[in-house]
Amino acid sequence: DAKTTQPTSMDCAEGRAANLPCNHSTISGNEYVYWYRQIHSQGPQYIIHGLKNNETNEMASLIITEDRKSSTLILPHATLRDTAVYYCIVRVALRYGKLTFGQGTILTVHP
Amino acid sequence: DVKVTQSSRYLVKRTGEKVFLECVQDMDHENMFWYRQDPGLGLRLIYFSYDVKMKEKGDIPEGYSVSREKKERFSLILESASTNQTSMYLCASSNLPSLGGREKLFFGSGTQLSVL
Repeated sequence: DAKTTQPTSMDCAEGRAANLPCNHSTISGNEYVYWYRQIHSQGPQYIIHGLKNNETNEMASLIITEDRKSSTLILPHATLRDTAVYYCIVRVALRYGKLTFGQGTILTVHP
Repeated sequence: DVKVTQSSRYLVKRTGEKVFLECVQDMDHENMFWYRQDPGLGLRLIYFSYDVKMKEKGDIPEGYSVSREKKERFSLILESASTNQTSMYLCASSNLPSLGGREKLFFGSGTQLSVL
């Protein structure tokens, strides 16, 4: 699975968009980009994933660059409840769904 | 919504004890996983199972075993607990992947195990 690089921490004002970057320059053609987040004292929660095209769901948008070497998770209107560690994971869609989590980005949303 | 339930939120055990961590999911998922999470090390996969009575080693299986007698239940066993197994243990389950990699992992709330 491709290695990912994320900033250690980021801040965002409540109500503003939070843009979390992820670098995955060694990604291969059959690898997906997944985003999970972990709120304090809870298990990680799936947010979104994509292969080539940009994706949007009720939680967030995922923007993948044309060369697929980086991506950005966008939380359009961040709230205090979005304060969490955000993990960007790149891997092939395998039967067994094994995911390897890195260190992630600590996003702090301020009032 | 999928629910993954871990039997205990906090556990305190003695060195050398046999410890059972239980996990139950209610969505008929094929795959189940045990991770541990430690500060500075992130989440590390211990074992996973893709079917009843089937198991596969993850990245750090040493000192652990697992049991999956029923589809909905996946147990993590510490045969002889040691202090270096003090950690947050997270169980997860996922459906079979369809085309497009749409499988998702659903996690329980975790068990904080302290081995004294």
